[in-house]
Amino acid sequence: NAGVTQTPKFQVLKTGQSMTLQCAQDMNHEYMSWYRQDPGMGLRLIHYSVGAGITDQGEVPNGYNVSRSTTEDFPLRLLSAAPSQTSVYFCASSYSSGETDTQYFGPGTRLTVL
Amino acid sequence: LAKTTQPISMDSYEGQEVNITCSHNNIATNDYITWYQQFPSQGPRFIIQGYKTKVTNEVASLFIPADRKSSTLSLPRVSLSDTAVYYCLGSGGSSYKLIFGSGTRLLVRP
Repeated sequence: NAGVTQTPKFQVLKTGQSMTLQCAQDMNHEYMSWYRQDPGMGLRLIHYSVGAGITDQGEVPNGYNVSRSTTEDFPLRLLSAAPSQTSVYFCASSYSSGETDTQYFGPGTRLTVL
Repeated sequence: LAKTTQPISMDSYEGQEVNITCSHNNIATNDYITWYQQFPSQGPRFIIQGYKTKVTNEVASLFIPADRKSSTLSLPRVSLSDTAVYYCLGSGGSSYKLIFGSGTRLLVRP
């Protein structure tokens, strides 16, 4: 299994540009999430999905859109990039086991907005 | 989801045992305590999880007292490769929306 994969690894955008960060998992996990991590800080939840066709907002959803058309993919769209969105973005997946809260994280996408 | 408080940073030396304590005074009855490890330029990685008493795996031990208002992650005989940020989280089965604090930066010196 490849686990959770993210593309691209690095991206530089100009203010106002839009782009999509890709995330895919091959573990058949029902749950997927997007986080951002600013320098020296912990991760903050942007959006999450509990299954195909079901998404919801996290702590910091403004400026981002998501959709979940398949179990495997959970892309994150930046509508109009701003310098405040410069960050490292992590995608994660998990499943419901009734007890454990283990999320599997991707390697991250480092985004710079000029 | 429980708010957690942990030290900002800790220093240790190779071969020592490291104990990182996390405070979670308002933990809910159905919350588990989970610890993640994050190396620079990588996503967090699950280390250990527990509800009460003691849990041990090949990486660490987790001690949770009866009142569950705190927990301690114990790393036996640390090496340089254990230098990382360690996050303590309280969560109630909602694995898709974990709340991360700032974590504890552990530096292991030779």
